[in-house]
Amino acid sequence: DAGVIQSPRHEVTEMGQEVTLRCKPISGHDYLFWYRQTMMRGLELLIYFNNNVPIDDSGMPEDRFSAKMPNASFSTLKIQPSEPRDSAVYFCASSLYQATNEKLFFGSGTQLSVL
Amino acid sequence: GDSVTQMEGPVTLSEEAFLTINCTYTATGYPSLFWYVQYPGEGLQLLLKATKADDKGSNKGFEATYRKETTSFHLEKGSVQVSDSAVYFCALSSFQKLVFGTGTRLLVSP
Repeated sequence: DAGVIQSPRHEVTEMGQEVTLRCKPISGHDYLFWYRQTMMRGLELLIYFNNNVPIDDSGMPEDRFSAKMPNASFSTLKIQPSEPRDSAVYFCASSLYQATNEKLFFGSGTQLSVL
Repeated sequence: GDSVTQMEGPVTLSEEAFLTINCTYTATGYPSLFWYVQYPGEGLQLLLKATKADDKGSNKGFEATYRKETTSFHLEKGSVQVSDSAVYFCALSSFQKLVFGTGTRLLVSP
């Protein structure tokens, strides 16, 4: 298996633009997680899905952020409009059952820079 | 809520030195505990885990013991290598998700 695949690896955009990050989880994994990593706040869970259904989105910072999982092999995280404070590395991760006792498989991340 | 506290970095060591990275946690119930490692430009990878009190997780020469009495899960390695330079994250399981610490950067020089 190719692992968790994220695209793009790097994204540079201007404030106010829409940004869409993409993730393909490992086939057969029931759980998908979106994390954001910054120097100030470390690794924060934004939202996670179970069988394509959003379970907990309490970490989504505000209404500008939205996430979807239209099928078991694809998820998107959208920021509209983007702001400079959204600059961070965004990671997608998947797991076979759930986080408890089961390891997460992380993608390589998307480095987002909002100018 | 549940949380993890790690020692601030960076931790700077010479090759073959002994490593300890402290991690303490606050949790309701009895979570599983994890150490993840992030090499430059990559996503996090599971390094080791422990699922109950007094369990010891180990991998690649790294060890950590689940201490319920001190709510700790300190990471240790007897002799670090330059290739161990990375960011190390302590984490616990909480209601179907992982809660991560802020990470500790380790720099090992030859």
